[in-house]
Amino acid sequence: EAGVAQSPRYKIIEKRQSVAFWCNPISGHATLYWYQQILGQGPKLLIQFQNNGVVDDSQLPKDRFSAERLKGVDSTLKIQPAKLEDSAVYLCASRKFTGNEQFFGPGTRLTVL
Amino acid sequence: GESVGLHLPTLSVQEGDNSIINCAYSNSASDYFIWYKQESGKGPQFIIDIRSNMDKRQGQRVTVLLNKTVKHLSLQIAATQPGDSAVYFCAENRNNQGGKLIFGQGTELSVKP
Repeated sequence: EAGVAQSPRYKIIEKRQSVAFWCNPISGHATLYWYQQILGQGPKLLIQFQNNGVVDDSQLPKDRFSAERLKGVDSTLKIQPAKLEDSAVYLCASRKFTGNEQFFGPGTRLTVL
Repeated sequence: GESVGLHLPTLSVQEGDNSIINCAYSNSASDYFIWYKQESGKGPQFIIDIRSNMDKRQGQRVTVLLNKTVKHLSLQIAATQPGDSAVYFCAENRNNQGGKLIFGQGTELSVKP
């Protein structure tokens, strides 16, 4: 089966600009996650969706980050405006509703200058 | 607070030797633990998991040990190969929080030929 797809793979922007990331989960996976992974650290959960509803966005900086999963399949994560400390890899993962294993995409590496 | 950490940030082993990567966790209510392998430029890849009602689980060349008394988890890799070189993360899964994964900081494993 195809894995989790993410695009773009790399993005370089200047601070205060906007950026958007896209994720296509594994077909049939109801749960979708966005993680932020700063260099040298483990991934940190930003937001979790169950179908098109938000389950947990407690660690999402809502003043600048937003995410949506309108049709319960693809998802986009947006940062507006970006800060230097947002430089990180943004990982998308998906999981079957009845399973435990999360499958990760390759990530988008964001550099904010 | 939420905390899953690793004792050593780097580990260097000789090819063919066994590797042991350690992890400490803080939440005694966590019910499921996972080890992930992350190669450069890729997303985390599932290696092995263990439920909190078990103390040992074996896979192909890998064994996970769980000591709930001291909240300690370890990953043992037998006959380490150059392809095992990567960063290894432990993560605790909290089903009572919608399957939220809390990752540790990671251990970088280097295999010397």
